[in-house]
Amino acid sequence: GEDVEQSLFLSVREGDSSVINCTYTDSSSTYLYWYKQEPGAGLQLLTYIFSNMDMKQDQRLTVLLNKKDKHLSLRIADTQTGDSAIYFCAEITGTASKLTFGTGTRLQVTL
Amino acid sequence: ETGVTQTPRHLVMGMTNKKSLKCEQHLGHNAMYWYKQSAKKPLELMFVYNFKEQTENNSVPSRFSPECPNSSHLFLHLHTLQPEDSALYLCASSQEGLNSGANVLTFGAGSRLTVL
Repeated sequence: GEDVEQSLFLSVREGDSSVINCTYTDSSSTYLYWYKQEPGAGLQLLTYIFSNMDMKQDQRLTVLLNKKDKHLSLRIADTQTGDSAIYFCAEITGTASKLTFGTGTRLQVTL
Repeated sequence: ETGVTQTPRHLVMGMTNKKSLKCEQHLGHNAMYWYKQSAKKPLELMFVYNFKEQTENNSVPSRFSPECPNSSHLFLHLHTLQPEDSALYLCASSQEGLNSGANVLTFGAGSRLTVL
């Protein structure tokens, strides 16, 4: 079956790096995504990575993909209070052609 | 505004009521989705419409009834709901269905539903 797992909560100090982890089960995943949900809002796409890549960098965001272990991570450098939100990992598979989300990881940034 | 508008933002209803959630997108997208977001659970896909045709019903109980009159509008009709149906209901749209490459979903802000 398709399952995407994330830890529920992460707390970091402002200025530190945050690393949010995700594991997925479907090895045929073609694209993997990170979405961000701020309070009272819907989900917004942060970034995505194609399954033939192992890293993607976009300003403060770095996505690492380990296909062998089915592990995806999102690193946020120099974390700011505005980064406080829920971060969702999601995968899309060619066969299922639907997007499967994890539970979301709530990132709390402290001063 | 994200381009996907959901109304109402908050809804409280009794178990015998009938109500509807509305979603509207002006992005020119052809696929629309309903997701259910409950605390500490993965986001659950409920329904998918592609070019107004329902292409996915993820074993959703019949007390939830979707309607897609055109590519820009999506409704979720609710009747005889249970308290465990209380959740945030998110609408999303995408250019095409999800078997078209790195298709990105644009989400609305959600409708917070409370069933008493």
